[in-house]
Amino acid sequence: EPEVTQTPSHQVTQMGQEVILRCVPISNHLYFYWYRQILGQKVEFLVSFYNNEISEKSEIFDDQFSVERPDGSNFTLKIRSTKLEDSAMYFCASSRQGPVNEQFFGPGTRLTVL
Amino acid sequence: AQSVSQHNHHVILSEAASLELGCNYSYGGTVNLFWYVQYPGQHLQLLLKYFSGDPLVKGIKGFEAEFIKSKFSFNLRKPSVQWSDTAEYFCAVNSDGGSQGNLIFGKGTKLSVKP
Repeated sequence: EPEVTQTPSHQVTQMGQEVILRCVPISNHLYFYWYRQILGQKVEFLVSFYNNEISEKSEIFDDQFSVERPDGSNFTLKIRSTKLEDSAMYFCASSRQGPVNEQFFGPGTRLTVL
Repeated sequence: AQSVSQHNHHVILSEAASLELGCNYSYGGTVNLFWYVQYPGQHLQLLLKYFSGDPLVKGIKGFEAEFIKSKFSFNLRKPSVQWSDTAEYFCAVNSDGGSQGNLIFGKGTKLSVKP
């Protein structure tokens, strides 16, 4: 069964450093998403991506964040200058179509900012 | 703004007990409703979803949920839980209104089933 994969599973970085979180969505999916979950809090939407551009983004997704689909298979989330409060679990998801379709989630990347 | 409330933070049951997890959402328009489950060490996976039609939806592993529009609720039920149902359960909502389907999640309910 196809699945969404994410690398790395755990990333530790120093405050102020740039990190890139990688995701490989399911191959015939068209919609891609990033969510994050700070420990003990809700899973929060960050950004959705369709047709090679951002469709929607939340208030969390400020200028420090960017997304890219560099090669037709990977979908990356870059945090330009990490802050302590960026420590969270980051989930990538993909779906074949829009709102009415199931989103398939990856296993997540745990980001720890020291 | 849309929001989702899950009132139970942690539920502990014995095997064969019945389960009902509450979920209420706040949104005035047409919504799609989901329950996701996260088993220990695994990723989020879909249990069931409601888009339209019969408000009683059946999902995998014997779970079902009922959409009650007047109460803005989408409670998850299972008549007899098993130890393997130990997991965290997330209610989520999105809307058709011009969005690309980004999900709004509740805080999650941790279910522990004692053998």
